[in-house]
Amino acid sequence: GAGVSQSPSNKVTEKGKDVELRCDPISGHTALYWYRQSLGQGLEFLIYFQGNSAPDKSGLPSDRFSAERTGGSVSTLTIQRTQQEDSAVYLCASSRVGETQYFGPGTRLLVL
Amino acid sequence: RKEVEQDPGPFNVPEGATVAFNCTYSNSASQSFFWYRQDCRKEPKLLMSVYSSGNEDGRFTAQLNRASQYISLLIRDSKLSDSATYLCVVTLSGGYNKLIFGAGTRLAVHP
Repeated sequence: GAGVSQSPSNKVTEKGKDVELRCDPISGHTALYWYRQSLGQGLEFLIYFQGNSAPDKSGLPSDRFSAERTGGSVSTLTIQRTQQEDSAVYLCASSRVGETQYFGPGTRLLVL
Repeated sequence: RKEVEQDPGPFNVPEGATVAFNCTYSNSASQSFFWYRQDCRKEPKLLMSVYSSGNEDGRFTAQLNRASQYISLLIRDSKLSDSATYLCVVTLSGGYNKLIFGAGTRLAVHP
């Protein structure tokens, strides 16, 4: 079946611009996660959605970062006023609760 | 101190070699343990879960030592296709599956 999909696969933007990253989870997966992988670093948890519960935003690095999940399915991660240190691969994962997380291919973001 | 620490490598080994990776975690409340594999410019994929009793999946053996807070992965009879970065991952108790990743250990298997 279809896996997690993310778009765009690559994004180049100028410092100070806003960007939106999209994640389509696997159908039937109620849990959705965003992670960030900076060059040479491990994956860093950003935010978690589970059903209709309030999201866990504890990993968001600053208030320039926000995320939504509409209708319990598609999620968008928005970064406002991008900075060069935001350059990274942004990975989305989904799962059934308590089960294995499946990752999407990621969005490579480069802030010039 | 990082929550999950790994030797970044790279480990350069010939085909057929046995190679072992270790990982340490700092939070004694860690509950679940995994090894993920990540190929270059690809997403991480679950390789195997790690259980206290140790577990094996073909050429791969994982061990967990809760007292010392370390996890190991042993790969026997290395194949060229095993070349990848191996990520040590833990989750904390009392919550959902928020994954905490090590930075990874790079393995290069050569002919």
